[in-house]
Amino acid sequence: QVQLQESGPGLVKPSQTLSLTCTVSGGSISSGGYYWSWIRQHPGKGLEWIGYIYHSGSTNYNPSLKSRVTISVDTSKNQFSLKVNSVTAADTALYYCARDSSGVVGVNWGQGTLVTVTS
Amino acid sequence: QSALTQPASVSGSPGQSITISCTGTSSDIGTYNLVSWYQQHPGKAPKLIIYEGSKRPSGVSDRFSGSKSGNTASLTISGLQAEDESDYFCCSYTTSRSWVFGGGTELTVL
Repeated sequence: QVQLQESGPGLVKPSQTLSLTCTVSGGSISSGGYYWSWIRQHPGKGLEWIGYIYHSGSTNYNPSLKSRVTISVDTSKNQFSLKVNSVTAADTALYYCARDSSGVVGVNWGQGTLVTVTS
Repeated sequence: QSALTQPASVSGSPGQSITISCTGTSSDIGTYNLVSWYQQHPGKAPKLIIYEGSKRPSGVSDRFSGSKSGNTASLTISGLQAEDESDYFCCSYTTSRSWVFGGGTELTVL
């Protein structure tokens, strides 16, 4: 059974870059057939899809975040990463990484990591 | 893109059936049958319970069912149980090649 684990700083200062990594175990990113997503959840609110990456490096992003977001993959480490530039308090959220199948987002989820943007 | 619209809360008694609606537009639910539903208990990650509108992943109870009509998708839970008390989110693929979620519905089992 595939497992995903997010890691990264829990505090980020305004205007700086948020960086998170998702480590995948129990399955290989490079085997293909799946997409790898980042999804966030603002405190007490709904879910927001940020974007996904395929093992080839092909990406797709939420149009509302596209200008500030980069998702990358390191198949040698079986990890994929998220960077969000120029963060504000509005980027404070619980960030999840997830494995998607074709036509389905979030088949498997990490436990989530809370990122707070504060000076 | 705007979030899909869900009722903030629904409630039902044990044994009853409830339905949660998820309203989108012709740019998402109305065009694709790629609607999924998730159950999220407090402090936990979401769990996929319905995909492609009406399919259930292995291990998900058949008390959960999904459907779609026009721009609205629905999740029905039959034979309501105390353990079903949770938040539920819908999600749809969009014509922008992205995914959009609903705001979530809190289900209370009375």
